Amino acid sequence: KNEVEQSPQNLTAQEGEFITINCSYSVGISALHWLQQHPGGGIVSLFMLSSGKKKHGRLIATINIQEKHSSLHITASHPRDSAVYICAVTGGGADGLTFGKGTHLIIQP
Amino acid sequence: GAVVSQHPSWVICKSGTSVKIECRSLDFQATTMFWYRQFPKQSLMLMATSNEGSKATYEQGVEKDKFLINHASLTLSTLTVTSAHPEDSSFYICSARDDASSGNTIYFGEGSWLTVV
Repeated sequence: KNEVEQSPQNLTAQEGEFITINCSYSVGISALHWLQQHPGGGIVSLFMLSSGKKKHGRLIATINIQEKHSSLHITASHPRDSAVYICAVTGGGADGLTFGKGTHLIIQP
Repeated sequence: GAVVSQHPSWVICKSGTSVKIECRSLDFQATTMFWYRQFPKQSLMLMATSNEGSKATYEQGVEKDKFLINHASLTLSTLTVTSAHPEDSSFYICSARDDASSGNTIYFGEGSWLTVV
């Protein structure tokens, strides 16, 4: 079974700062997802990666398959980015997603 | 974009009763849907994989007779929590895999908060 580790668990930053959230996993995967969970619980899928790098607006996600590591970056962070960011992987013998514990991000004005 | 609708968003039920949660893909077909549970301040955990037209596959530790899953069409999966108890109170969320995608495009429902009193 895949073990997914995220760091940091909690992150508080000032508006405008560059944010990095890290994710590592233990077993080879077919895809890695970055998800955003808001206080009400709803989840938005930000990225799905199997290699390389993806960019969407101020968000950038990278993955290094050899090192079993992914990062999520937020440029010019804003208070509305405050949420829990979750790394999840699929593959490695599992059909559904295996989730990290999430990173609770707070961006202060 | 693709949407997965989950209903109800909130439900309160009495201990011993059953509750049904629906997960519906609105503009795509999903042979495979997934049900997850999240207890407060814990990570999401996969409960079961729901496959249209066949029996669901349950994760270890999840009672299939308590959490009944029906996936009777390519756009609808239901989770029924039978004889609910307070310890079943949790956030339940479904996701659906888009059959038309290359394989791993997954969309999430909005989630359902269940409180058993």
